[in-house]
Amino acid sequence: NAGVTQTPKFQVLKTGQSMTLQCAQDMNHNSMYWYRQDPGMGLRLIYYSASEGTTDKGEVPNGYNVSRLNKREFSLRLESAAPSQTSVYFCASSEPGVLWYGYTFGSGTRLTVV
Amino acid sequence: AQSVTQPDIHITVSEGASLELRCNYSYGATPYLFWYVQSPGQGLQLLLKYFSGDTLVQGIKGFEAEFKRSQSSFNLRKPSVHWSDAAEYFCAVQETSGSRLTFGEGTQLTVNP
Repeated sequence: NAGVTQTPKFQVLKTGQSMTLQCAQDMNHNSMYWYRQDPGMGLRLIYYSASEGTTDKGEVPNGYNVSRLNKREFSLRLESAAPSQTSVYFCASSEPGVLWYGYTFGSGTRLTVV
Repeated sequence: AQSVTQPDIHITVSEGASLELRCNYSYGATPYLFWYVQSPGQGLQLLLKYFSGDTLVQGIKGFEAEFKRSQSSFNLRKPSVHWSDAAEYFCAVQETSGSRLTFGEGTQLTVNP
């Protein structure tokens, strides 16, 4: 089925470790996004990529880096994980235009930093 | 900057009862408005959206929402709730189709048998 695929689904890290969250979409969307979800705070935008080759900071970018590898893939990297980065991470994609259907979300990565 | 407020953190209703989830937004012009639902352990699924035109919009799963410009609101409603509607609901706002989506804090819905 077409959609957004995130890997891994679950991850436990020790403080200071690094990891990369992977995201791929097969809908030929130009825009991709990384959000984090924390209880009572909704979803907050970490980084986004309006199109291949561009990335921009969102609301909470500190401690993260991103790479738009190609049109399909948008990865999120934690260089030195901290307990405050314990969260559920969602990737999304969209294609702005006349036929606008909002964002399509992946199923999330649940990250725990101990 | 645009913002979204969902005043109710948690709502409990009985199965078969009607439901209204509140959403207020802050933005100078008419934004694009969305409601998403998130079942436990799942991603977000689009319920409905409003761009322009008829202020009452119909969505999936029997949900509807009404845009009220005078109140800066976009409340979600369902006439008769089913147990499977228990989930978290997010209202979201967007300035234009190419801009970023801003989410409210979410409302957790519990459905009692």
